[in-house]
Amino acid sequence: QVLLVQSGAEVKKPGSSVKVSCKTSGGAFNSYVISWVRQAPGQGLEWMGGIIPILGPTNSAQKFQGRLTVTADESTKTAYMELSSLTYEDTAVYYCARGADHGDYKGADYWGQGTLVTVSS
Amino acid sequence: DIQMTQSPSSLSASVGDRVTITCRASQTIATFLNWYQQEPGKAPRLLIYGASSLQSGVPSRFSGSGSGTDFTLTISSLQPEDFATYYCQQSYSPPRTFGQGTKLEIK
Repeated sequence: QVLLVQSGAEVKKPGSSVKVSCKTSGGAFNSYVISWVRQAPGQGLEWMGGIIPILGPTNSAQKFQGRLTVTADESTKTAYMELSSLTYEDTAVYYCARGADHGDYKGADYWGQGTLVTVSS
Repeated sequence: DIQMTQSPSSLSASVGDRVTITCRASQTIATFLNWYQQEPGKAPRLLIYGASSLQSGVPSRFSGSGSGTDFTLTISSLQPEDFATYYCQQSYSPPRTFGQGTKLEIK
């Protein structure tokens, strides 16, 4: 049974950074893509970027380049997503998800429960 | 980036109906197309990968088809638990873009 458990809700001020963790258990970690997807209130899904722990970050969406840092700790099977220079438009639920195959071509079959990040002054 | 366009954006249907949702890619993506179901307040659930392969544990009333740029998700006989929002996603190249979603509502 693969489980992805994310860190708790965050409230951040504009201009600050947030770091969300995603701890995995019950399956392989190093060679599967962990992706980060966000969903603003009432909106659709937005893919942000990902990481293959044994290789490093995959390409990220252009709109997040320069602000998004995705890392992984193989010893604890935990992935991290850090987003900097937060604006109100970054208020969203952030999900981590594990690729169904090593190349992340078959979608993401395991998801974290989501972490609400609220940007508020 | 590859743009994914779903239609319709919303759909009203009844239990037992057959429904089809369409997804179009802005360029060819072969069969690197996945479908997800999302219920309110929950994480997405993978239904279909590779355009037509049913994810383990997903009921057989769900099916997918298509290749190149045009794809469909069909639910053969709607059940009460199927009323949710559906998203397509391309896994041909990064960024792994999603469609805007189709909200399936009870008529």
